[in-house]
Amino acid sequence: DTEVTQTPKHLVMGMTNKKSLKCEQHMGHRAMYWYKQKAKKPPELMFVYSYEKLSINESVPSRFSPECPNSSLLNLHLHALQPEDSALYLCASSQQTGYEYGYTFGSGTRLTVV
Amino acid sequence: RKEVEQDPGPFNVPEGATVAFNCTYSNSASQSFFWYRQDCRKEPKLLMSVYSSGNEDGRFTAQLNRASQYISLLIRDSKLSDSATYLCVVNMDAAGNKLTFGGGTRVLVKP
Repeated sequence: DTEVTQTPKHLVMGMTNKKSLKCEQHMGHRAMYWYKQKAKKPPELMFVYSYEKLSINESVPSRFSPECPNSSLLNLHLHALQPEDSALYLCASSQQTGYEYGYTFGSGTRLTVV
Repeated sequence: RKEVEQDPGPFNVPEGATVAFNCTYSNSASQSFFWYRQDCRKEPKLLMSVYSSGNEDGRFTAQLNRASQYISLLIRDSKLSDSATYLCVVNMDAAGNKLTFGGGTRVLVKP
């Protein structure tokens, strides 16, 4: 299994809603990441988890709350989002954090905030 | 100056031709470099890592020039299926914890 699986693929939510994005990998990777990508822009790092511990938070607003329940799962809890948060949210994993490891990306969740 | 900078293109390439483009990075301490490919409305996919000695994978050749702080990607015998955005990615964090993406170079291969 060489995939990173993200659900849902599409999500439309209101500004008062609470929703969660899910990411799962079974490659034994110990580093997992959340990226945000706006149209025609490159992915921007949000969070890094290493061995289930949050190691990097790129000054992301608190309306985004990551969670890593175990080494295979990564969640992103969403609450009180703004329309400008509409984007493609990409999850990625790598064997570990470190220079030589490339990432495997999931196919993303396309989020629309209305 | 952006941390990782690319010519956005598009590079319009006749099928069968060779195309090459560069990416510059700002942090001289960067340790690892990658090329990713991203198709429209799809996730980025790792194309190849870039090693100091340069490396080749089929029709794709990547080079690293540390002195001038750039990496390059060359595509030989371009196929229609090579049309995509090519993202230059640099691991700039001292602990190797995060990848920084360039804005991407769009390549359009035409018959």
